[in-house]
Amino acid sequence: AQSVAQPEDQVNVAEGNPLTVKCTYSVSGNPYLFWYVQYPNRGLQFLLKYITGDNLVKGSYGFEAEFNKSQTSFHLKKPSALVSDSALYFCAVDDYKLSFGAGTTVTVRA
Amino acid sequence: GAVVSQHPSRVICKSGTSVKIECRSLDFQATTMFWYRQFPKQSLMLMATSNEGSKATYEQGVEKDKFLINHASLTLSTLTVTSAHPEDSSFYICSAPRKTERRLANYGYTFGSGTRLTVV
Repeated sequence: AQSVAQPEDQVNVAEGNPLTVKCTYSVSGNPYLFWYVQYPNRGLQFLLKYITGDNLVKGSYGFEAEFNKSQTSFHLKKPSALVSDSALYFCAVDDYKLSFGAGTTVTVRA
Repeated sequence: GAVVSQHPSRVICKSGTSVKIECRSLDFQATTMFWYRQFPKQSLMLMATSNEGSKATYEQGVEKDKFLINHASLTLSTLTVTSAHPEDSSFYICSAPRKTERRLANYGYTFGSGTRLTVV
């Protein structure tokens, strides 16, 4: 079965600093990986996806993620975090249905 | 872009009653709808997959008689929580794949805004 893991429950950064949210995957074959963000009592908003092609994927709101096959990782990054980036972030793998990581709560302090 | 409209956004019901949650795809045909349950600050757990015109497929451990899913049209899927109990209180989210072919640029999943169910 395909799965993703988010090793950090929480990430705290100061506004303006780089933000990284970690994700590792375990799949057979080519992975189809997604990042979503969730604000309180809301559904999930799509940030970006990796299907094939360039290992560096650029997404919404200034986020990007790097697909690393040797490390089986798909970390989400943002060069300069904003307070409004504070939310719950999910990594997911698609095996004709999405399986989500446990989620990482990001808090950006002013 | 593709939109899935989910209603109601929040509902409070008495124990023993039934609650229906609707998810409508507004600008695309959702032949498949995924239903998730989410506990506070936790991940989304897939409950079931509904396909238009056929019976839903439930994940292991999910009571199909309690969580009734109907997908009668290409734009509407419903989840009914029957004889609700306080332990059914949760956040329920639906999701529909926009395209099933991964090579297509707009391949991905669209999520409803979620329903906060509180059973008292």
